[in-house]
Formats: sequence, structure tokens, C-alpha cells
Amino acid sequence: AQSVTQPDIHITVSEGASLELRCNYSYGATPYLFWYVQSPGQGLQLLLKYFSGDTLVQGIKGFEAEFKRSQSSFNLRKPSVHWSDAAEYFCAVGAPPGYALNFGKGTSLLVTP
Amino acid sequence: DAGVIQSPRHEVTEMGQEVTLRCKPISGHNSLFWYRQTMMRGLELLIYFNNNVPIDDSGMPEDRFSAKMPNASFSTLKIQPSEPRDSAVYFCASSLEARFSGVSSYNEQFFGPGTRLTVL
Repeated sequence: AQSVTQPDIHITVSEGASLELRCNYSYGATPYLFWYVQSPGQGLQLLLKYFSGDTLVQGIKGFEAEFKRSQSSFNLRKPSVHWSDAAEYFCAVGAPPGYALNFGKGTSLLVTP
Repeated sequence: DAGVIQSPRHEVTEMGQEVTLRCKPISGHNSLFWYRQTMMRGLELLIYFNNNVPIDDSGMPEDRFSAKMPNASFSTLKIQPSEPRDSAVYFCASSLEARFSGVSSYNEQFFGPGTRLTVL
């Protein structure tokens, strides 16, 4: 069965500092991996996805993620965080058909001045 | 584009009452998903439709929950009778699922704003 673990429930970073959010997955076949962001009271927005190929994927809002099969990880990074990045971040795995998503518990990001 | 539309945005009801949540997917999308978000369990898939047919309902908690998709532009999630533990945010999402030679290709799932349900 596929599953996703996000080890960090809360992370606090200073504005302008770099960010890395961790995600570990368990999946028997080639994983289809996603990062979503949820702002307070809002729905979810796709930041980026990985299916195959280049293990470093670029997303929206300056985010990137690196797939490491040997570590079963898909960590999200941003070189310089902005106050508007404060939100809940979810890692997810999906598979065909349909690509219904199996989410991690999420990491809440707080950005301090 | 209006995006995925959910109604109501907030619902407060009393235990034992019937609750109906509604979703209008993006026009042209043929896959629809219902997710539930709680503090304890996080985000979990309840049911997934393709071309109005339920494909995976393994996440539906129990018989009190039922979902329908009578046509390509409307879906409902019904809870009868409701219980306090059903309090959650319910999200609907839609996507365009295409198949080529039997292989399903990926297209982004777009989420609605959610319905916050409180059962007293």
C-alpha cells in the first residue's frame, strides 16, 4: 500500500531564509509524487509533481523538489522564503488510473519577520 | 473559468440530521474526487468517480455516507444520520482523465474551496 510521511508537523523559518520540507513515501512501484499548498480557509493548490525523468523538478512560486529513490524521499525546497509562503504543505502520492491522492499529514510553515 | 464549486461553504447541523454536500466540477472534467480533512486523520480520499461511475469508494467511512454523480456536472455527498465525528472540511476535486491504449494519463486535480461541516 502506498503511504506518505511528513516528519515535521510545524516548521518556523525567518523571511529570506531557505526552506526544506521533508517527505518520505512508501510505494511498491514507480511513485507519482506531488506537493500541494493550502492557505488558511482555502482549497489545495498544486505546487509541483514528479512522475519520471529529471529528479529535480521545478514548480510554481519558486519551489523545487528533489526525488531520491534510494532514500524514498521527495523533499520540497525554496531558497528564500517570503511571508506569503506561510501555509500548510502536503506531500502526496497517486497512481493511475485516476491518480486519487494519498496525502501526508502536512507540515505547517510559519514565517517570521 | 469558475473552478470547482462547492456548496454550502459552511454547514452546522445537529446530530442525527441528514447533511448533503454539493459539488460542481470544472466543465469538461470527467473525474471527480471527494476528500475529507480532519485534524486527527488529515486529508483522506472518500470516493472517486470517473465518467459518473464510482471507481473507488473504499474510503467511505460507513453506510451513513453515500455519494452520487447523476451527471457530469454535479455530485453530492450525503451523510445520514450525521454524527459529531463527521465534523470536518470536505473537499471536492476534479480532473480530466484521458486514456490512450488503456493507459490513464495524468492531468492536474483542481480542488474546490471545501465545505466546513460542524455536527453538534
